[in-house]
Amino acid sequence: QSALTQPASVSGSPGQSITISCTGTSSDVGAYNYVSWYQQHPGKAPKVMIYDVSDRPSGVSNRFSGSKSGNTASLTISGLQAEDEADYYCCSYTTSSTVVFGTGTKVTVL
Amino acid sequence: QVQLVQSGAEVKKPGASVKVSCKASGYTLINHEIYWVRQAPGQRLEWMGWINPGNGNTKYSQKFQGRVTITRDASANTAYMDLKSLTFEDMAVYYCARNFRGLDPWGQGTLVTVSS
Repeated sequence: QSALTQPASVSGSPGQSITISCTGTSSDVGAYNYVSWYQQHPGKAPKVMIYDVSDRPSGVSNRFSGSKSGNTASLTISGLQAEDEADYYCCSYTTSSTVVFGTGTKVTVL
Repeated sequence: QVQLVQSGAEVKKPGASVKVSCKASGYTLINHEIYWVRQAPGQRLEWMGWINPGNGNTKYSQKFQGRVTITRDASANTAYMDLKSLTFEDMAVYYCARNFRGLDPWGQGTLVTVSS
């Protein structure tokens, strides 16, 4: 199972909006609405930001939103803040009952 | 509060095995799947497998098939990940995570160092 494809890096200025893409196939991202997104700061465990494509856990800022079209999912961070600087990973369930993570995206706040 | 607490760091020689534990608190282990994910230094997250603690069913990544075994002890509210035939490429932080509204929460991670 190949990793889902994400851009290596995305950057933006404070207050701007950025979008991270996550491209898979019809066997993973395109198959179910089971895409989730994780934020990871250096040396820390990942934290779920979005699950089931667009649901946000309680306690996660509404500046984070998710969507999906075909085999590509997206995470949008609006009103970018310094604390959003981190690595972000998408994750999808697959038709083989396995799970695959994305290649990861480093978000830099300029 | 709901949390997963993992066992401490390990140092192993090539060819050895390592067993990492993941103790759940604040909820009953058998109610949700537990996933195991690893992250080599500077690398991406990599899914290894999951267990349904309720019935013991497991699913493993093809990459680790035959080398990894995930088990649980419901009475101890604890899941385990056993990886054998370690090589230098297995040096990584190993995480467990509950599958509930995404993977949440995650354990604190267990560093496994492989050194001769």
